[in-house]
Amino acid sequence: QSALTQPRSVSGSPGQSVTFSCTGTNSDVGDYDYVSWYQQHPGKAPKLIIYDVTKRPSGVPNRFSGSKSGSTASLTISGLQTEDEADYYCCSYRGTTYTSVFGGGTKLTVL
Amino acid sequence: QAQLVASGGGLVKPGGSLRLSCAASGFTFSDHYMSWIRQAPGKGLEWISYLTHVGSTMHYADSVKGRFTISRDNAKNLLYLEMNRLRAEDTAVYYCATGGGVDAFEMWGLGTMVTVSS
Repeated sequence: QSALTQPRSVSGSPGQSVTFSCTGTNSDVGDYDYVSWYQQHPGKAPKLIIYDVTKRPSGVPNRFSGSKSGSTASLTISGLQTEDEADYYCCSYRGTTYTSVFGGGTKLTVL
Repeated sequence: QAQLVASGGGLVKPGGSLRLSCAASGFTFSDHYMSWIRQAPGKGLEWISYLTHVGSTMHYADSVKGRFTISRDNAKNLLYLEMNRLRAEDTAVYYCATGGGVDAFEMWGLGTMVTVSS
């Protein structure tokens, strides 16, 4: 099961906006609105920040937003803060196999 | 306070077996699909299995199919992962999480480390 494609790294300065991409196929991202995003700080468990492409769990700041176009999903963080520095993973349901598939993760550096 | 606590990890030889457990508390365990997700050292996340509410349906990643078995005991609020014929590439931190299938992984446990080495 090949993973979703994410850039290895992204960087930005405090206050700026950054966007992460997550590219899949017509078997997952392109065909289902079940894309989620996770934030992981070093040594910690991942934390859900976006689900069903655009929805935010309670407690997640509205600086985090999600979208999708075709087989590519995106996560945007606006008003970047130093504590946003972490690894970010996308995940999609793959309906052809009833499985979930993660992206390889993107490391965010806040300069 | 809702939480998941995984346990049972350790050092095991290639070809060996291990059983992981995940104890749930503070929420209605039987309402949730449950998954196991792993992360090899320095690597990304890999979903490996999920189980429906009553444990009637389960799915596995190709990398563990036929070797790993997921199960649950809703009366005890426990999730299990039986791991057989372990390989070096199974070395990872194993997380249990609510969700699976079309449901996102909302709650994560602390993870338990499994090391497969001779």
